Amino acid sequence: DAKTTQPPSMDCAEGRAANLPCNHSTISGNEYVYWYRQIHSQGPQYIIHGLKNNETNEMASLIITEDRKSSTLILPHATLRDTAVYYCIVRVVSGNQFYFGTGTSLTVIP
Amino acid sequence: GAGVSQSPSNKVTEKGKDVELRCDPISGHTALYWYRQSLGQGLEFLIYFQGNSAPDKSGLPSDRFSAERTGGSVSTLTIQRTQQEDSAVYLCASSLAGGGYTFGSGTRLTVV
Repeated sequence: DAKTTQPPSMDCAEGRAANLPCNHSTISGNEYVYWYRQIHSQGPQYIIHGLKNNETNEMASLIITEDRKSSTLILPHATLRDTAVYYCIVRVVSGNQFYFGTGTSLTVIP
Repeated sequence: GAGVSQSPSNKVTEKGKDVELRCDPISGHTALYWYRQSLGQGLEFLIYFQGNSAPDKSGLPSDRFSAERTGGSVSTLTIQRTQQEDSAVYLCASSLAGGGYTFGSGTRLTVV
């Protein structure tokens, strides 16, 4: 059973920031929030993960609320190549249970 | 079934032994993927089946790894002469063609 909920779809104008929300209200203290994305017919691509602090890398930023019940993935300057399904995942780092949400289909519009 | 089912959920095997991992995809899903994830690492693509097309085997790390999908449904991933570096969680996912996919809960393989 998925432990995350995400909106099914979003649009974003090219060059603007894309903010993808995720709710994980039942997250446990030792569970991390991971974000992956799937570009059409390709395997999932790791984006970022975090426990409680905000994280940033070359692809995106992850903002986790203080109570850890929700998070937002931010793509600062969306490009057409960012069009994909984005999955928010909660899991224990050493665990084998992957709790995928429904994913958000992001469409970047020229 | 309602989801992707994988078995066994955990497998401990001795180095050098062969193992078979099973995946039952969602009924009607034409695409099936195998991935693995080593501790602390991201998902590593292994193999992809789509309908009756030849599978994409580009991710298989060595010729000790093979997979088949019988009747367009159940898939078996076989690892021959297992090595300690094969220890990982092996994930199967299925989808409708071009759709987002659903993962199984994985098989944790430990080679001792």
